[in-house]
Amino acid sequence: GENVEQHPSTLSVQEGDSAVIKCTYSDSASNYFPWYKQELGKGPQLIIDIRSNVGEKKDQRIAVTLNKTAKHFSLHITETQPEDSAVYFCAATPAGGTSYGKLTFGQGTILTVHP
Amino acid sequence: DTEVTQTPKHLVMGMTNKKSLKCEQHMGHRAMYWYKQKAKKPPELMFVYSYEKLSINESVPSRFSPECPNSSLLNLHLHALQPEDSALYLCASTSPGNTIYFGEGSWLTVV
Repeated sequence: GENVEQHPSTLSVQEGDSAVIKCTYSDSASNYFPWYKQELGKGPQLIIDIRSNVGEKKDQRIAVTLNKTAKHFSLHITETQPEDSAVYFCAATPAGGTSYGKLTFGQGTILTVHP
Repeated sequence: DTEVTQTPKHLVMGMTNKKSLKCEQHMGHRAMYWYKQKAKKPPELMFVYSYEKLSINESVPSRFSPECPNSSLLNLHLHALQPEDSALYLCASTSPGNTIYFGEGSWLTVV
C-alpha cells in the first residue's frame, strides 16, 4: 500500500518568512495530492491540491510543487502570518475507480508563526 | 460549495450504549468516507461508500457499522465501543471535480 512521509514534524518561523513542508510517497499509482490545514478542535480544511499531470500550482501565498519522477511534493507558504499556525497534512490517493479517495496521510507538521 | 455537515459535534457514550454519527452533503458528491483521528495523529480511513458500494478497512472492528441511506447521507452506527475508540470521527466526500473535502468532525468519548 501507499506510504507517505512528511518533514519536518515541527516548523517555527517568524511572521513574514516563508515555510516549506515536504512529503514523499511510495505508490507510483497515486495521482492526487491534497494539502490540509487543521486547526485545534476542527476538521481538516483543504488549502490546495495538485494532480500528477501538473508540476506546480499556486493560490495567493500558497503553492504546491510535484516531482512525479522523484515521488515528492512540497507545500510553500510565503509571507507567513500568525493565523497560518496550525497542523498541516499532506496526503496521496491513487487514480480513479474504487481506490480513489482512500487518502494516505503524512504524519503532519505543526507550523508555528511567531509575530 | 464544500460543505460537509456532521452531527453531533460532541458525543459521550457508555460502553453498552448504541449511538450513531451522521454526515450529510447536498452537493452531488459521488463518494463519502469515514475517517478516525486520534490526538496528534493523521486521519485513518475506516469506510468508503462509492456509487452505493461499501469498501471496508479490514482493521476496523465490527462494533462500527456504516450505513448509506442515500447519496447525500452517511451514518456510522456505534455499539459496544471501548474507551480506546474515543477519537475525532471525520466524514469526507468527493466532489464531482474529484476534490476531497472533510467535515468538522464528531468528537466521541467512550466512558
